[in-house]
Amino acid sequence: AQTVTQSQPEMSVQEAETVTLSCTYDTSESDYYLFWYKQPPSRQMILVIRQEAYKQQNATENRFSVNFQKAAKSFSLKISDSQLGDAAMYFCAYRSGLSNAGNMLTFGGGTRLMVKP
Amino acid sequence: DAMVIQNPRYQVTQFGKPVTLSCSQTLNHNVMYWYQQKSSQAPKLLFHYYDKDFNNEADTPDNFQSRRPNTSFCFLDIRSPGLGDAAMYLCATSRVGAGSNQPQHFGDGTRLSIL
Repeated sequence: AQTVTQSQPEMSVQEAETVTLSCTYDTSESDYYLFWYKQPPSRQMILVIRQEAYKQQNATENRFSVNFQKAAKSFSLKISDSQLGDAAMYFCAYRSGLSNAGNMLTFGGGTRLMVKP
Repeated sequence: DAMVIQNPRYQVTQFGKPVTLSCSQTLNHNVMYWYQQKSSQAPKLLFHYYDKDFNNEADTPDNFQSRRPNTSFCFLDIRSPGLGDAAMYLCATSRVGAGSNQPQHFGDGTRLSIL
């Protein structure tokens, strides 16, 4: 079974600064996908960024980028130029690449990010 | 906009009184999921429908049931809610199939309170 670990229950960052959220995972599979989801308080969980394991290039979406280290099974999220609206719970998630896996997600425990004005 | 819609946003029920939460989607996704999320915790998958096939997680209590009458709608039935069932319930959808790489799309959730 796969496991996903987020070792930082809470993080804080000053507005306009950069913060990195950590995520490690354990799997014996070679084909899989990794995601970061953002869940603001009392609001919808939305996809921030995703990474296919077969791609060596790190995914980037505007101010959000990942550092994907496949050998180390690490998948950290970097938020640049942090904004107040970035304050939320962030969940790292793993999905098997097997076609019969039903796109099931394994979530990490989450990191609460606070942004200080 | 295509989306996942959950009704109601907030639901209050009495201890032991059956309750139904609903989810609809306009994405035409073939898989629908129900998660339970307690405060400051990760979502926990209860079950999912792959097309018409129901897949229950091994540790989902018998108290929780689901129905999917058609592609667009999925319901979560809690037969006899206990205080421990108070949580946010999230519905999500995804398209699974050959060549499909769809992430899961989530609804806003229904927050269930038990009196």
